[in-house]
Amino acid sequence: AQSVTQLDSQVPVFEEAPVELRCNYSSSVSVYLFWYVQYPNQGLQLLLKYLSGSTLVKGINGFEAEFNKSQTSFHLRKPSVHISDTAEYFCAVSLTGRRALTFGSGTRLQVQP
Amino acid sequence: GAGVSQTPSNKVTEKGKYVELRCDPISGHTALYWYRQSLGQGPEFLIYFQGTGAADDSGLPNDRFFAVRPEGSVSTLKIQRTERGDSAVYLCASSSTGTGGLTDTQYFGPGTRLTVL
Repeated sequence: AQSVTQLDSQVPVFEEAPVELRCNYSSSVSVYLFWYVQYPNQGLQLLLKYLSGSTLVKGINGFEAEFNKSQTSFHLRKPSVHISDTAEYFCAVSLTGRRALTFGSGTRLQVQP
Repeated sequence: GAGVSQTPSNKVTEKGKYVELRCDPISGHTALYWYRQSLGQGPEFLIYFQGTGAADDSGLPNDRFFAVRPEGSVSTLKIQRTERGDSAVYLCASSSTGTGGLTDTQYFGPGTRLTVL
């Protein structure tokens, strides 16, 4: 079975600073990888996804993530964060051939002025 | 509608009672998913419908949980003999089955917060 680990439960950062949210997964078969964001009192929203091809994936709101197969990682990055990026971020995987998403426990990004 | 809607937004019930949670997917989306999110955790997959049929119910925790989608649109998640451990936010998502197939984006609703006293 696959699993997803988000090592950082909270990441405080100052506005305009860069940020990296870490995600590692384990699976014995090929996977698709996703990052979702959950703003307060809103539903989960897809930031970006890796299916195949280029390992650097660009998403909405200036976020990007890099798939590293050898390290089984899919870290999310943004070069300069804004107050409005304060939210909960979830990494997820799905096995190729299945639609069910397996989520990590989430990382709360707290952007401070 | 513009997005996935779920009703009620909040549900408080007593241990042992029966509850129904409703999901209205995005119009035209043939795939529908239920997830459960406990406090401090990521969403956990419960069941996936393709049209009217449950294509994958491997995440349902036990036989107290049941879901239907009789006309291929609205879905209802039913929980019998509720337990305090069922308290969580229940999320619904939908996706189209266009050329993306298995990789079609899942769009999530705001969830129903279930509290079992």
